[in-house]
Amino acid sequence: GDSVTQMEGPVTLSEEAFLTINCTYTATGYPSLFWYVQYPGEGLQLLLKATKADDKGSNKGFEATYRKETTSFHLEKGSVQVSDSAVYFCALRGSQGNLIFGKGTKLSVKP
Amino acid sequence: DAGVIQSPRHEVTEMGQEVTLRCKPISGHNSLFWYRQTMMRGLELLIYFNNNVPIDDSGMPEDRFSAKMPNASFSTLKIQPSEPRDSAVYFCASSFGLASGNQPQHFGDGTRLSIL
Repeated sequence: GDSVTQMEGPVTLSEEAFLTINCTYTATGYPSLFWYVQYPGEGLQLLLKATKADDKGSNKGFEATYRKETTSFHLEKGSVQVSDSAVYFCALRGSQGNLIFGKGTKLSVKP
Repeated sequence: DAGVIQSPRHEVTEMGQEVTLRCKPISGHNSLFWYRQTMMRGLELLIYFNNNVPIDDSGMPEDRFSAKMPNASFSTLKIQPSEPRDSAVYFCASSFGLASGNQPQHFGDGTRLSIL
């Protein structure tokens, strides 16, 4: 069945460091892919999405490119801030229309 | 605009008690989703509705769990009787259109449930 695998955390970085959170997926066809972010005590918020191969989603300095050759959708940011500390979830739209989430990666950014 | 509203934010109760979680989706959204989040299992989809009709309830863990959506602006998730292993954060999310479309899901802030 459809599944998402993302790198385990926690990830701890210093402010202004480069961030990569790896995400790979297994699915039939080419599902839409998403990154959601969860700040402490809050629900998930859509960060960015890509609906077809080679699409690049971007928002708030974060980017992810839909790579069908490697079935990947890695999240990147060139310079992280303390305010980026959160849990990041990679997700795909399953064949039934529901979202299938990875386990989440906790990011802590130190000043 | 008001987002997805869940109540209560926190619930602490003793095992065996009935628990009812509530959700008001964003106005105009016609798909509604209930998720459960735990450290061990991450985010799990429990059930989702489209136009108030349950479409997929395969994620509901057992008969103690039930969900209803009597109208477009309200849904409940009920656990009866509750057990300590039901302790988790329960999220409600809504979106416009079919679940298979590309519209994002908007999440509420969740209900943190603790069963003693």
